[in-house]
Amino acid sequence: QVQLVQSGAEVKKPGASVKVSCKASGYTFTSYDIKWVRQAAGQGLEWMGWMNPNSGDTGYAQKFQGRVTMTRNTSIKTAYLELSSLRSEDTAVYYCARALGAVAESYAMDVWGQGTTVTVSS
Amino acid sequence: DIQMTQSPSSLSASVGDRVTITCRASQTISWYLNWYQQIPGKAPKLLIYAASSLQSGVPPRFRGSGSGTDFTLTISSLQPEDFATYYCQQTYNTPETFGGGTKVEIK
Repeated sequence: QVQLVQSGAEVKKPGASVKVSCKASGYTFTSYDIKWVRQAAGQGLEWMGWMNPNSGDTGYAQKFQGRVTMTRNTSIKTAYLELSSLRSEDTAVYYCARALGAVAESYAMDVWGQGTTVTVSS
Repeated sequence: DIQMTQSPSSLSASVGDRVTITCRASQTISWYLNWYQQIPGKAPKLLIYAASSLQSGVPPRFRGSGSGTDFTLTISSLQPEDFATYYCQQTYNTPETFGGGTKVEIK
């Protein structure tokens, strides 16, 4: 079945970087964009950006510009989110999601990973 | 950035009730509006895309409507598994933004 499986929980110190992986299966990895969304405990959803696994093109929310990098390895159908210069406010669950590609589908996220908890603490 | 305002932020309802959640955009977003359901500890689940299209596998008691700046998610007859938090999301432009969420609780 179509699924995205993310890497395990991470604990990082302030100033460090974290890299979260998102492995796709059950569909053609290069045919759908991957988006990343995060959620702090008890809070709402925050969109971080998108990546086209075919071209490698990316688009990031201004809030994260300079700190975020989205990449992929098509041979193993895996997308990556790297966030640097971590601070306590980055403590959250990070989700990857597949994005529907047609205009008529309004680029909605139809398949989600299970989430990766990133804790930033000294 | 486009601001998405959901109301109410929470509501209490009984099984069988009709529930309506609204979402307002700070500028027109055409029909680039999606609805998600999130159960605590789980990833969000897509319910409605393009304002009114029902995602495959989602029960027809969920209905989305609206265009421009004002949108509605209606659950025609609330079921026990519907107690969750609901989010709207605009994909009209980036950064994509979400509403603050509506928590549907058991009365």
